[in-house]
Amino acid sequence: SYELTQPPSVSVSPGQTASITCSGDRLGDRNVCWYQQKSGQSPVLVIYQDSKRPSGIPERFSGANSGSTATLTISGTQAMDEADYYCQAWDSSTAVFGGGTKLTVL
Amino acid sequence: EVQLVESGGGLVQPGGSLRLSCAASGFTFSSYAMSWVRQGPGKGLEWVSTISGSGGSTYYADSVKGRFSISRDNSKNTLYVQMNSLRVEDTAIYYCAKEDDSSGYYVSVNWGQGTLVTVSS
Repeated sequence: SYELTQPPSVSVSPGQTASITCSGDRLGDRNVCWYQQKSGQSPVLVIYQDSKRPSGIPERFSGANSGSTATLTISGTQAMDEADYYCQAWDSSTAVFGGGTKLTVL
Repeated sequence: EVQLVESGGGLVQPGGSLRLSCAASGFTFSSYAMSWVRQGPGKGLEWVSTISGSGGSTYYADSVKGRFSISRDNSKNTLYVQMNSLRVEDTAIYYCAKEDDSSGYYVSVNWGQGTLVTVSS
């Protein structure tokens, strides 16, 4: 079965750039979404189709996908961005989530 | 405004059954695929199942195939999942999500608040 691999945790200082990776076999050939989940809340879509932002998502969130790695980048990270982030892609009529990355802003 | 409200969660014994519901409002329900996604205690997100807008196509994770059945009633704007032969490892918060496929594949654009299912003796 298809697998997506994310680092368990990433730390960033306020105002700096955070990068969260998601790796999978030929992931660049697929469309990747990213979801943000703050503690005790439901997930929120922050990036779809590799790099598109839904309305209401700040411009500091961006995405890229090439080769075997997709990357979510948060520029000028704010304390409110502290959350778990999940990548997701589809494979053979099955949706797959990465294991999630806990972003700590300190 | 899109609203998704799950219900039906609770405590059930291993081997038991439960049916979850998701009441949708704020959009043309029959025009959108819908999904169930779960999250075990302290764990990540796990996709469970997706159903097309008409209900004619359904997709399942291997972990629930043959035990769970997704369905929808477009006249009632409600999504369901019938869960049979429940196992301890099915314990999770179950979220319903509205899917958008305008980009050629499903994207979970809206999520409900979730309902907790606990499988324990």
